[in-house]
Amino acid sequence: NAGVTQTPKFQVLKTGQSMTLQCAQDMNHNSMYWYRQDPGMGLRLIYYSASEGTTDKGEVPNGYNVSRLNKREFSLRLESAAPSQTSVYFCASSTGSAATEAFFGQGTRLTVV
Amino acid sequence: RKEVEQDPGPFNVPEGATVAFNCTYSNSASQSFFWYRQDCRKEPKLLMSVYSSGNEDGRFTAQLNRASQYISLLIRDSKLSDSATYLCVVSFSGYSTLTFGKGTMLLVSP
Repeated sequence: NAGVTQTPKFQVLKTGQSMTLQCAQDMNHNSMYWYRQDPGMGLRLIYYSASEGTTDKGEVPNGYNVSRLNKREFSLRLESAAPSQTSVYFCASSTGSAATEAFFGQGTRLTVV
Repeated sequence: RKEVEQDPGPFNVPEGATVAFNCTYSNSASQSFFWYRQDCRKEPKLLMSVYSSGNEDGRFTAQLNRASQYISLLIRDSKLSDSATYLCVVSFSGYSTLTFGKGTMLLVSP
């Protein structure tokens, strides 16, 4: 079972470059999330999609855009990368009820130089 | 206000020890509670849900005190493989997302 798959696993960008992080889940989950994790800051929600066709801002949305392409896929785009966006990015999915488990992808380690 | 607070540690314990972590949350109208485990450079994974009556899973016991707004995790007979960061997670009423604490690091030594 693949669960939640993120690509790429590692990426180095130059300041000002753009890129899209891809995420797909095969668990038929309604909700999908993008988090970033920085040392000492914990996991912070960037954007989420409660269901196909909807997206909402989380705690730290500035500098990012998202697309819920279909029920399986939720992408995160950095239009003009900045060094402050150096982080580990995790995609997650859940059935949609906040009372249920979230499943995470393996993460993308992004460095912006 | 959605806040989940944890002692970052690290907690250094020898194998076989019993260790307890606490977590406090800001909003009494909270819905669900969880402990996740995160190994170094890996993704978080659910360790256990926390129920109002308390619950146990092998060497792990989770308890919830709604009146004082804290959650605890007790690990008995610590193993080297328990070394990880433990994340306290709360679902706040009215919100469809989970709020994560910053985590408590546990290091179990031989």
